[in-house]
Amino acid sequence: GESVGLHLPTLSVQEGDNSIINCAYSNSASDYFIWYKQESGKGPQFIIDIRSNMDKRQGQRVTVLLNKTVKHLSLQIAATQPGDSAVYFCAEKTSGSRLTFGEGTQLTVNP
Amino acid sequence: DAGVIQSPRHEVTEMGQEVTLRCKPISGHDYLFWYRQTMMRGLELLIYFNNNVPIDDSGMPEDRFSAKMPNASFSTLKIQPSEPRDSAVYFCASSLGADGYTFGSGTRLTVV
Repeated sequence: GESVGLHLPTLSVQEGDNSIINCAYSNSASDYFIWYKQESGKGPQFIIDIRSNMDKRQGQRVTVLLNKTVKHLSLQIAATQPGDSAVYFCAEKTSGSRLTFGEGTQLTVNP
Repeated sequence: DAGVIQSPRHEVTEMGQEVTLRCKPISGHDYLFWYRQTMMRGLELLIYFNNNVPIDDSGMPEDRFSAKMPNASFSTLKIQPSEPRDSAVYFCASSLGADGYTFGSGTRLTVV
């Protein structure tokens, strides 16, 4: 049969708008989370991280929110720019030093 | 800092041939990770090392895959014999203390 690739969730926004990318993680024991950005033909690039003893962390134009009750992570990008167009992955540290990645979200910023 | 350096960037090989992918981690980092990325399965951890010692190789798909880290500045991932289903992008990443990995640019492997 024909193989089917992953169908990435997509988010399309207008330049200047705020973007919110969501992620559901799997392991309630995970204590460390990271958001990565991957542009076409490149490796994942670290954006921001958060530990489980926090529920919010801010960086430059980005904010990560962690809701441990429902095992949900979100990445907020303020004033989204065309250069923000990429696939965004959340990752959780599940056991030892193993980092497990989510499926990714394709963000497209329209000028 | 040059970041994590992987070579080659692209590799095309025939089925049955041996393939060796190389990685130079960031100097001073004590963890090194090998990931594989495909459309079907996304990013998968294959193996990781701490201080040059393999810690978790449960993600290595088959005995055809092997990884070594002879010293703190070099690691290899070898596939022997290679098969078309091994076609993927292979990433190496390193970190200090297992937080906030830095990824290399990857090796795109095509097995025909």
